Amino acid sequence: SAVISQKPSRDICQRGTSLTIQCQVDSQVTMMFWYRQQPGQSLTLIATANQGSEATYESGFVIDKFPISRPNLTFSTLTVSNMSPEDSSIYLCSVQQGQNTEAFFGQGTRLTVV
Amino acid sequence: QQQVKQSPQSLIVQKGGISIINCAYENTAFDYFPWYQQFPGKGPALLIAIRPDVSEKKEGRFTISFNKSAKQFSLHIMDSQPGDSATYFCAASAGTALIFGKGTTLSVSS
Repeated sequence: SAVISQKPSRDICQRGTSLTIQCQVDSQVTMMFWYRQQPGQSLTLIATANQGSEATYESGFVIDKFPISRPNLTFSTLTVSNMSPEDSSIYLCSVQQGQNTEAFFGQGTRLTVV
Repeated sequence: QQQVKQSPQSLIVQKGGISIINCAYENTAFDYFPWYQQFPGKGPALLIAIRPDVSEKKEGRFTISFNKSAKQFSLHIMDSQPGDSATYFCAASAGTALIFGKGTTLSVSS
């Protein structure tokens, strides 16, 4: 199993600012992902965080808006840049030890942009 | 993103009844089909998962039925309890990230 600590748990931010969300895992994992979940909605994959290289983004998400770092096998950050109210959502970090294995999720960061 | 279609959007079941949630997919490269349970304020947690080489998997009160030819799979919750009230997501993967269905909000009335 994997225990994920995600910080902050929630934040209220002014439009135009940026917020960096941290994801710390208690063990080394091969796969890390970032998802967005709007209230009452499903989870949408933002990107795969690749250790030591640029993240792989899904259609509709770009690096300038959602820069991601993954310096090692236990840590990643997601930055939401130049925020607007449309960015208000829950952002979730997820990890897997290998392909088609159980995905573990952090508790999420609830972001409100005003 | 490749779609996984989930229905119904919401479900109300009497205590002790059977809850059934259905999902369908298009991408034949998917080879892993988990179901996740999410309570308010929490991240999703794995409930049960199946691979396409079997047609059914049972864990306690939870059963996945899988129909490879129809590209459909479903979750059955037997003897539903109020503590099962949550949002359920089906998902699929082709070896990379999970693609989620839209979710089903289950309410079990006592």
